Amino acid sequence: QSVLTQPPSASGTPGQWVTISCSGSSSNIGSNTVDWYQQVPGTAPKLLIYENHQRPSGVPDRFSGSKSGTSASLAISGLQSEDEADYYCAAWDDSLNGYIFGTGTKVTVL
Amino acid sequence: EVQLVQSGAEVKKPGESLKISCKGSGYSFTSYWIGWVRQMPGKGLEWMGTIYPGDSDTRYSPSFQGQVTISADKSASTAYLLWSSLKASDTAIYYCARRVGSYYDSDGYSSWLDPWGQGTLVTVSS
Repeated sequence: QSVLTQPPSASGTPGQWVTISCSGSSSNIGSNTVDWYQQVPGTAPKLLIYENHQRPSGVPDRFSGSKSGTSASLAISGLQSEDEADYYCAAWDDSLNGYIFGTGTKVTVL
Repeated sequence: EVQLVQSGAEVKKPGESLKISCKGSGYSFTSYWIGWVRQMPGKGLEWMGTIYPGDSDTRYSPSFQGQVTISADKSASTAYLLWSSLKASDTAIYYCARRVGSYYDSDGYSSWLDPWGQGTLVTVSS
């Protein structure tokens, strides 16, 4: 199954800015919008960003998303202890005609 | 409140069959696709497939085609994931989620998952 590539880990101290990259191809990120999910250990994933940069109600504006070409990024500004979680990017893939997820990035707050 | 509630944890033996469920509430169940996602122990998220309860149109990821069956009962606002013969490698948490959006525009295709069910842990062991 095709995947989107993310760094396995990222970290920062409280208040810092952290970014997570998501690399895909022309059949997924290059053609369709990107979503991001947050999964706190032991809980179900939660929608964080949709349509590249849109935030659902209730998601703090510390979280922002962007996309350029076949890559996307999630930025967390003013890192907080409750942001410690796994983060996954996702997009529809035209070749597979299905949804694909990134490999996941574990964010640690030092 | 839009909610998806999944059935409880299951412990099964290899070769047994299993059906887990995902009940939607707080929205028109027949108007949104439902997706199923697998998370194996300590691993990432994998897309299994999706169903439109309104007409039971079902699509599978190539990795899961023939391995599971996705169905829905719109009268019960419930989607299902079925195995006819479980393997130890089916041990995982399975999540259902509502697909929102599902349209093409100038940015391409948009369809995101919100909300998610709480997950069903399936353990297959002899």
